[in-house]
Amino acid sequence: EIVMTQSPATLSVSPGERATLSCRASQSVSSYLAWYQQKPGQAPRLLIYGASTRATGIPARFSGSGSGTEFTLTISSLQSEDFAVYYCQQYNNWPTWTFGQGTKVEIK
Amino acid sequence: QVQLVQSGTEVKKPGASVKVSCKASGYTFTNYDISWVRQAPGQGLEWMGWISVHSDNTKYAQKLQGRVIMTTDTSTSTAYMELRSLRSDDTAVYYCARVGSIMVQGVIRRGWFDPWGQGTLVTVSS
Repeated sequence: EIVMTQSPATLSVSPGERATLSCRASQSVSSYLAWYQQKPGQAPRLLIYGASTRATGIPARFSGSGSGTEFTLTISSLQSEDFAVYYCQQYNNWPTWTFGQGTKVEIK
Repeated sequence: QVQLVQSGTEVKKPGASVKVSCKASGYTFTNYDISWVRQAPGQGLEWMGWISVHSDNTKYAQKLQGRVIMTTDTSTSTAYMELRSLRSDDTAVYYCARVGSIMVQGVIRRGWFDPWGQGTLVTVSS
């Protein structure tokens, strides 16, 4: 099983600042990686797939990068609505998928 | 618009079974697979399994093998997830999600999950 490890567990950021979230895979997943945002009481929402392609309707301040085992989600200028939990997910190994444990982005 | 609407909250006793439904609309149901994901209170996302709506092929997470069954009804564009022999640690919000796909070197690969259903809370308690 491919294990996905996200860091940090919690990121404290002020509105308007940049946030950088990391995701590491225990083995190469090529570019078969997605990022999701989840707010309290809501279902996850797809942000990024293919490691760097924004999903429909996702603002340009969200960007993804990386390949192989190291990936990054960057939020260039945090807005109030961006404070949430973010998950990475690999789909290189379909039909099995695995998620990271999540990074909570909180207001500093 | 593409939408997945799930059935409502369930309360079950240990040892019972639960069946959650996920009704799709806004797209051709047989063109996309469905996956199920659960989230225990205060915890992260746990992938449970996948079903090909076109072929009925399934793959389940190893820890749930033998207790989970995923099915679809193409006549009503509905996917189902049944979990048996419920335990207290099965208490969670259960989500269905449509599985995206891409063509890579002539082969269709399954990928990301989008959209997700609104979630169904299943509480297991005596």
